[in-house]
Amino acid sequence: GESVGLHLPTLSVQEGDNSIINCAYSNSASDYFIWYKQESGKGPQFIIDIRSNMDKRQGQRVTVLLNKTVKHLSLQIAATQPGDSAVYFCAESSLSNSGYALNFGKGTSLLVTP
Amino acid sequence: EADIYQTPRYLVIGTGKKITLECSQTMGHDKMYWYQQDPGMELHLIHYSYGVNSTEKGDLSSESTVSRIRTEHFPLTLESARPSHTSQYLCASSEYGGAKNIQYFGAGTRLSVL
Repeated sequence: GESVGLHLPTLSVQEGDNSIINCAYSNSASDYFIWYKQESGKGPQFIIDIRSNMDKRQGQRVTVLLNKTVKHLSLQIAATQPGDSAVYFCAESSLSNSGYALNFGKGTSLLVTP
Repeated sequence: EADIYQTPRYLVIGTGKKITLECSQTMGHDKMYWYQQDPGMELHLIHYSYGVNSTEKGDLSSESTVSRIRTEHFPLTLESARPSHTSQYLCASSEYGGAKNIQYFGAGTRLSVL
């Protein structure tokens, strides 16, 4: 299937700094994107999503940016906290994905240092 | 917090045994999914269901089978476990509705086949 990937496998940031996690996708038909956070020993937890007709969406301390021209999206976390340490996955969906199933990319491990 | 439950959380079993991984959700969601995830790696869809009596195979070939007799229950069965089945299995559900496909995950079952 189409690939969804992340630029960096690990990211280390200091507490209080902003974090940016990047994701590239290759399916030009992707029309929905979603970010998940997975802590050790737990299932993925929904963070934020964005439709392809938008280029930015904000949540609580998080912002997702979508650039369809270069097939890239990013997750920005403001004032990163130790509790943000986890693996972050992006995923994309389109009608071609087994009826809108999510296609997950490789995760980025975020480590927040004091 | 998502109301989706997986049991057991951990399972160590010998080769050749039949096992069933349980997944239940109380959100009334029509769509349910099973993913396989190796440590630190992306999620791969192995089965999904649109609703009762509907089951489909995902992108990753799997020797497991699933059933959907009740909306809330989506068990996964391995008739004869092998060491190659050692992995984490994640169950998820979502409202049936197309593009905006937020999936809610259980905590997962970590399976080890000796």
